[in-house]
Amino acid sequence: DQQVKQNSPSLSVQEGRISILNCDYTNSMFDYFLWYKKYPAEGPTFLISISSIKDKNEDGRFTVFLNKSAKHLSLHIVPSQPGDSAVYFCAATITSGSRLTFGEGTQLTVNP
Amino acid sequence: DADVTQTPRNRITKTGKRIMLECSQTKGHDRMYWYRQDPGLGLRLIYYSFDVKDINKGEISDGYSVSRQAQAKFSLSLESAIPNQTALYFCATSGGVAFEETQYFGPGTRLLVL
Repeated sequence: DQQVKQNSPSLSVQEGRISILNCDYTNSMFDYFLWYKKYPAEGPTFLISISSIKDKNEDGRFTVFLNKSAKHLSLHIVPSQPGDSAVYFCAATITSGSRLTFGEGTQLTVNP
Repeated sequence: DADVTQTPRNRITKTGKRIMLECSQTKGHDRMYWYRQDPGLGLRLIYYSFDVKDINKGEISDGYSVSRQAQAKFSLSLESAIPNQTALYFCATSGGVAFEETQYFGPGTRLLVL
């Protein structure tokens, strides 16, 4: 039972444009969501997170949107840069449960 | 220096062999985790530990065991390796502050079981 799903295995965008990565979840108990970025031969690194009490969180070029009624979150990267090319994982948890459930990942390629 | 280190970084072994993957952290975190990554499946939790005396199974613990030797060390063992355990393995830590959900990952160990 895949509780967190990233339905797009890959996404390709032009440098300077917006990248939108999507994630859906099924467990209504999840109340905290995170995005991780992973480069080849490295471990995932934390990018941005959002609590279920918010619907938006921004950090520089990165914004995460949460739609609780649709059980959907998205990561927007504006403007996209070639260095953003990586695999992006969304993850969800129940606060203080300390177990993250990850999606399958989306490979983002930003073309110069 | 890296906060979360894993050894070895790469390992090739044969079916039936016992191997150990090691993880050390200098972040002072209480919680440690082992994940495996397979193409198209994301990261799946194998085992996790909230402190030295606490060990919990994750979603795919069969065929694996762990040892929490100290707050800073968490080892993963494959008692009798099989080819479908070929994967990328990650150790992670969390717990610097209350309700801190962010996990910090090591660089990974690439394991090939022949």
